[in-house]
Amino acid sequence: GEDVEQSLFLSVREGDSSVINCTYTDSSSTYLYWYKQEPGAGLQLLTYIFSNMDMKQDQRLTVLLNKKDKHLSLRIADTQTGDSAIYFCAETNPDTGRRALTFGSGTRLQVQP
Amino acid sequence: DGGITQSPKYLFRKEGQNVTLSCEQNLNHDAMYWYRQDPGQGLRLIYYSQIVNDFQKGDIAEGYSVSREKKESFPLTVTSAQKNPTAFYLCASSILGQGRGYTFGSGTRLTVV
Repeated sequence: GEDVEQSLFLSVREGDSSVINCTYTDSSSTYLYWYKQEPGAGLQLLTYIFSNMDMKQDQRLTVLLNKKDKHLSLRIADTQTGDSAIYFCAETNPDTGRRALTFGSGTRLQVQP
Repeated sequence: DGGITQSPKYLFRKEGQNVTLSCEQNLNHDAMYWYRQDPGQGLRLIYYSQIVNDFQKGDIAEGYSVSREKKESFPLTVTSAQKNPTAFYLCASSILGQGRGYTFGSGTRLTVV
């Protein structure tokens, strides 16, 4: 079945760039997402990318997709203390029988002042 | 403002009791989902529904039940058959087929006492 993997923890200094990585196993994934979760809250959609794209940029966020290696990354430029949260990678292919997102285990980003 | 509302925010259950978690959305979304979140394990799919009066089991449906009598509402019942129900429960909704991702509620934290 589908599997999405992420490293559990990342620590960076304020002002540095953060890069959060994700690998997935389903080569038919057509939509890939990044969500942010602050403590005790629900998930907030940050950005998404379609599988026919290699890169997407949205202000401080850059998503890179390597379909050959099934690798997705999220780069946060000029990381701020407010970016401290858990970041989830997720994937889906609406054309398959599974019509729900599969999530990774989340990467906890800690931003040190 | 449109959104998705989960209640209550905190819920305590005694051993052997059934409890129902509420999820309501006014986004006119067709699909609704329930996920369970445990520390370090990401989100696991419990049930989802794409249309009124129809729903599908996810990866961990045992010990849970749902109904979808109205488009706006997708309540989750945690039954006494669920042996380890302490977790954070997240409800989400989406437009079908557009790959735009989910809108999440703020979650319900269920604790067995």
